[in-house]
Amino acid sequence: SQQGEEDPQALSIQEGENATMNCSYKTSINNLQWYRQNSGRGLVHLILIRSNEREKHSGRLRVTLDTSKKSSSLLITASRAADTASYFCAHSTGNQFYFGTGTSLTVIP
Amino acid sequence: DSGVTQTPKHLITATGQRVTLRCSPRSGDLSVYWYQQSLDQGLQFLIQYYNGEERAKGNILERFSAQQFPDLHSELNLSSLELGDSALYFCASSPGGGAGTEAFFGQGTRLTVV
Repeated sequence: SQQGEEDPQALSIQEGENATMNCSYKTSINNLQWYRQNSGRGLVHLILIRSNEREKHSGRLRVTLDTSKKSSSLLITASRAADTASYFCAHSTGNQFYFGTGTSLTVIP
Repeated sequence: DSGVTQTPKHLITATGQRVTLRCSPRSGDLSVYWYQQSLDQGLQFLIQYYNGEERAKGNILERFSAQQFPDLHSELNLSSLELGDSALYFCASSPGGGAGTEAFFGQGTRLTVV
């Protein structure tokens, strides 16, 4: 399977703390994207990082990509209760997106 | 609101039946992707259409089929339904045909097979 894997599967933190989640994949990629999913709803695109980029920022989000290790990380700084959701990485190879297994983040007010 | 519309939002049907899920992509987007999300399998890519033509195929069962119409809306047909087909089905759209751009997801159709 080309499905990526994420860890941890679940993460619980206090509001204001930083949250880090990791994603690994198995093949060479065109790019890697991170999505957020609130319970039972559609996925919302957060950020895209291309295979020739190492780090990207968007607001409170910081994404890194290490193609030699086939891994990426998403850092959410100064977390808020509204950040409570599942987070998925999706890597693209060819014309397909492959999603990771997701990290469930709970931010406790 | 992502601009992608999926209908119906919920569907309950019996085993052996056939259902059709509908997706209207964002205005101007030519690609439509279908995904299945279940608790044990995660998000599985099913199939992609680009401007009416099948572009990529993932883990789509033979009992499932899809098409994209000239107005770019897409339908996913699921037949001979089994209990294990119960899942959230998502449609996503993107402007281009490759997977190198952001995809916009609909709110999904929750299918329950009883």
